[in-house]
Amino acid sequence: EVQLVESGGGLVQSGGSLRLSCEASGFTFSNYEMNWVRQAPGKGLEWVSHISSSGSGIYYADSVKGRFTISRDNAKKSLYMQMNSLRAEDTAVYYCARRDQFDGFDIWGQGTMVTVSS
Amino acid sequence: QSVVTQPPSASGTPGQRVTMSCSGSSSNIGSNNVNWYQQVPGEAPKLLIYKNDQRPSGVPDRFSGSKSGTSASLAISGLQSEDEADYYCATWDDSLNAMVFGGGTQLTVL
Repeated sequence: EVQLVESGGGLVQSGGSLRLSCEASGFTFSNYEMNWVRQAPGKGLEWVSHISSSGSGIYYADSVKGRFTISRDNAKKSLYMQMNSLRAEDTAVYYCARRDQFDGFDIWGQGTMVTVSS
Repeated sequence: QSVVTQPPSASGTPGQRVTMSCSGSSSNIGSNNVNWYQQVPGEAPKLLIYKNDQRPSGVPDRFSGSKSGTSASLAISGLQSEDEADYYCATWDDSLNAMVFGGGTQLTVL
């Protein structure tokens, strides 16, 4: 079964750090570009970051640039997001998503909740 | 405020046809594929339409997408109660070098 499973969410104080992980199974992880998308409570979807299949191409939303770092380990079939200098507005469910050849996010994880207390 | 705009709400009765719009600009919808996602409250989003008008396997043909210029739309025919969800359009923005989501349309089946 094609699957993405996120972990690493939790409660952290403002200014703190957290590292999210996303483990892939059921497909050749190294062939796909990956993304993080978040959703604040009661709000819409917000794209956070993208990484190419090799890890050489990376993009970030302006809201997290300079604070978040996306990375991947193809041998471990895993995607990561290192989040530093966390703010209350970073509170959200964070989803990892696989990007298909047409820019669509065709596989999503179940999400992991990050709560930043001020 | 997203650079891609969707109406916040839409509604219809069972069996009816409903459409929802997604408006952008030349740097996003005008030059890139539009994808649509369905999100039932409490669940992860699901890809509904990709490459403007293509349905992934398993998505009923009641769902259809289209794109013209800097706008796109999603149509749902034969509306069913299970279609009650939030719908998001998304596309790449060449100026921002970012994926942009619309604010979402909450569909209510009356």
